[in-house]
Amino acid sequence: ETGVTQTPRHLVMGMTNKKSLKCEQHLGHNAMYWYKQSAKKPLELMFVYSLEERVENNSVPSRFSPECPNSSHLFLHLHTLQPEDSALYLCASSQEVYNSYEQYFGPGTRLTVT
Amino acid sequence: GQNIDQPTEMTATEGAIVQINCTYQTSGFNGLFWYQQHAGEAPTFLSYNVLDGLEEKGRFSSFLSRSKGYSYLLLKELQMKDSASYLCAVMDSNYQLIWGAGTKLIIKP
Repeated sequence: ETGVTQTPRHLVMGMTNKKSLKCEQHLGHNAMYWYKQSAKKPLELMFVYSLEERVENNSVPSRFSPECPNSSHLFLHLHTLQPEDSALYLCASSQEVYNSYEQYFGPGTRLTVT
Repeated sequence: GQNIDQPTEMTATEGAIVQINCTYQTSGFNGLFWYQQHAGEAPTFLSYNVLDGLEEKGRFSSFLSRSKGYSYLLLKELQMKDSASYLCAVMDSNYQLIWGAGTKLIIKP
C-alpha cells in the first residue's frame, strides 16, 4: 500500500453540489495537511491536523470543511464551490507537526468546478 | 511578507548539468526543502538543508547559504526522467512551509 492515498483522483462538480475528498496515510504519522495547488502558483496550505486536532486554518472559505476522524484519515468536504476553486488538492502527512520533518504527499484530486 | 523566488522554467540537454536557484525571505528559518513533482503526480522529497554548505545525494546536490537567503539544486548527468517541476520550500520560525511556485525543468535529447 502506498504511503498516502487520495480519492477520487478526478472530480467534476457543479457549484451547487456537495462532495468530499478523502485522504488516507499508512505511515503512522501524527500530522496531516490539505494543500491547494493552482497552475504556476505556490502550494497554498489550507488546514493542518495534529492527532485529529486542527492546529492551523489559513483563512480558508467556509465552503471548504475539513474532518479528521483519526490520525490516518482526513476528509475535505466541499459545498457551493466557485469556478476559481478548480485546482489540484493535495493531502500530505508528516511524522509530527511543528518540526522539520519532510512531508509525504498523496497524488492529489484534480477538481473542476463547472 | 514571506517570499520564495525561483525561475519559472528552465531547459537543459540530456547528459548535461543544470542548477536551479531559489532565494527566500522568511520570518525565521528552520530549514529548506527541495521537492520534485512530475506532471500529474505527487511532490516527492529530494533534500533538506538547515546548515550552510552542500549536501550531495547521488546525481542531485543541494546548497544553502543562510546569510544570503539562497539555495540551489544541482542536477548532474541529466536524464529524460528528470523532466519535472522542482519546488523549493522554506520552513519559517513557526514551522510552516513557505513554498515557491516551482521551476519546470524541460530536458531535451
